[in-house]
Amino acid sequence: DAKTTQPPSMDCAEGRAANLPCNHSTISGNEYVYWYRQIHSQGPQYIIHGLKNNETNEMASLIITEDRKSSTLILPHATLRDTAVYYCIVRVASNTGKLIFGQGTTLQVKP
Amino acid sequence: EPEVTQTPSHQVTQMGQEVILRCVPISNHLYFYWYRQILGQKVEFLVSFYNNEISEKSEIFDDQFSVERPDGSNFTLKIRSTKLEDSAMYFCASRAGGWDTGELFFGEGSRLTVL
Repeated sequence: DAKTTQPPSMDCAEGRAANLPCNHSTISGNEYVYWYRQIHSQGPQYIIHGLKNNETNEMASLIITEDRKSSTLILPHATLRDTAVYYCIVRVASNTGKLIFGQGTTLQVKP
Repeated sequence: EPEVTQTPSHQVTQMGQEVILRCVPISNHLYFYWYRQILGQKVEFLVSFYNNEISEKSEIFDDQFSVERPDGSNFTLKIRSTKLEDSAMYFCASRAGGWDTGELFFGEGSRLTVL
């Protein structure tokens, strides 16, 4: 699975968009980009995933660059409850469905 | 909304004792997982389980660990003889069958403290 690089921490003002970057320069053509988050030692929570196209759901948007070497998770209107560790994971879809978590980005949303 | 439930939420045990952590995955899910997170560290994959057998396991998942789906609802992780370094939060997860969308549903975790 491709390696990902995320900044260790970021701040965001409440109500503003939070843009979380992820570099995955060694991604291969059949690898997906997944985003999860973990709020204060709770179980990780799935946010969104994508292959090539930008994706949007009720939680967030995922923007993947055309060369697929990086992506950005966007929380359009961050709230205090979005304070969490955000994980970018790159892997192929597989029967086992295993996820390998890195260190992630700690997002602090401030009032 | 359906959820993965785990019991106990916290267990304290003595080194060398056996521990069983229990999970009730989401109904109709077919793939099951255990992960662990030592305090302050990454979430680590332990094992995946499908069709009543282990489909993949990590190096952490040695002979001291075992998993079982004893009935149609529970999924258990047994640690045969606990060590101090087994102290961690253990997360159960499940996913639906079909194409792997990468969407795993995690429980709230069971905190294991080994003294």
